[in-house]
Amino acid sequence: QQPVQSPQAVILREGEDAVINCSSSKALYSVHWYRQKHGEAPVFLMILLKGGEQKGHEKISASFNEKKQQSSLYLTASQLSYSGTYFCGTEMNRDDKIIFGKGTRLHILP
Amino acid sequence: DVKVTQSSRYLVKRTGEKVFLECVQDMDHENMFWYRQDPGLGLRLIYFSYDVKMKEKGDIPEGYSVSREKKERFSLILESASTNQTSMYLCASSSLGVTGVSTDTQYFGPGTRLTVL
Repeated sequence: QQPVQSPQAVILREGEDAVINCSSSKALYSVHWYRQKHGEAPVFLMILLKGGEQKGHEKISASFNEKKQQSSLYLTASQLSYSGTYFCGTEMNRDDKIIFGKGTRLHILP
Repeated sequence: DVKVTQSSRYLVKRTGEKVFLECVQDMDHENMFWYRQDPGLGLRLIYFSYDVKMKEKGDIPEGYSVSREKKERFSLILESASTNQTSMYLCASSSLGVTGVSTDTQYFGPGTRLTVL
């Protein structure tokens, strides 16, 4: 079951905040977040495991709400370097393969 | 730094040709993956492997096969290329994390953009 990401695309000005959501119709064991810049390979940002934890990576953080079967990625005071496509990947159980969403395109304007 | 390399950045083939896409990782990772990426569809898993000579089908294995004869190398094979296999192909690898088989960072290669005419 492919997770659903929203919004599909976001345009922001530098310094603004953004939230990207990743929802599943089934219970999740983990959520993975990756960023892919144009013409480059996806790069790992963070993993969130079942337990409702929140993680941070500089000004990028994420939360995982097991009850809602959803994760959100928060980009605070966005920088030009944050532009790219963000993918969430989900696992239903511990040894499952990761299923990626369709991605959210983020474009930061100066 | 983990390095995942793919044999070609761009490839053009004709319908019916047999196509080999090669992927090599240099970090002794157990797990390797092949994805295809199409606009609006995200990353879709074709095949993956958790060990040498071991392979598992992903979500869209039809029309593809794989080979893993050595730990560091994972090949994707299109037996008879078709135009609907025109896409960006991404290889990834990950290690066996302490938390589980697949709950670990995946490192991606730069991708091969394949065009089938």
